[in-house]
Amino acid sequence: AQSVTQLDSQVPVFEEAPVELRCNYSSSVSVYLFWYVQYPNQGLQLLLKYLSGSTLVKGINGFEAEFNKSQTSFHLRKPSVHISDTAEYFCAVTGGYQKVTFGTGTKLQVIP
Amino acid sequence: GAVVSQHPSRVICKSGTSVKIECRSLDFQATTMFWYRQFPKQSLMLMATSNEGSKATYEQGVEKDKFLINHASLTLSTLTVTSAHPEDSSFYICSARVSGPETEAFFGQGTRLTVV
Repeated sequence: AQSVTQLDSQVPVFEEAPVELRCNYSSSVSVYLFWYVQYPNQGLQLLLKYLSGSTLVKGINGFEAEFNKSQTSFHLRKPSVHISDTAEYFCAVTGGYQKVTFGTGTKLQVIP
Repeated sequence: GAVVSQHPSRVICKSGTSVKIECRSLDFQATTMFWYRQFPKQSLMLMATSNEGSKATYEQGVEKDKFLINHASLTLSTLTVTSAHPEDSSFYICSARVSGPETEAFFGQGTRLTVV
């Protein structure tokens, strides 16, 4: 079985400030980890993914995430957020299973 | 990246009628497609996994007779909500993968279903 925990349901942050969205996972097999972004009434768009290799992964729109196997975490970071980053962010995991398991999502609200 | 097209984006139907939602992979062949349901302020709940040419695999608690899934070709899967009721109102999203679990899932833009 696999699961994903996003502890923060909402994260307010001022524009141009840094942000970290937390994600922890559990799985009985090796995992592939993803971060997706969802804008209102839209589908999901991939931000970045970790498959193997370097634990620091860079994605689109200036986001990056670090895979930490010992802490079973895959936190998403951005050094300086913009108003346009306001959206909901989902951490997801796949492994030996076909299906994708999503976290409950974190709403990022960027305050002008 | 690959494109998944989902139609319609919004639909309003009367209680008791059926609604069909289409999910197409436009530039790749998807042997497996997934259907999700998203409630307000909640995460995506996997409803079923759709495999081309075979019966869909439904998650526990999902009524297979109510949510009919057909994966007729490598580029098309459909979800039919039969005898819809107001509690079926939700945001439905499909996704598809090019190959195995190490690849990203591409998502349709979602369908907002409102049953009145």
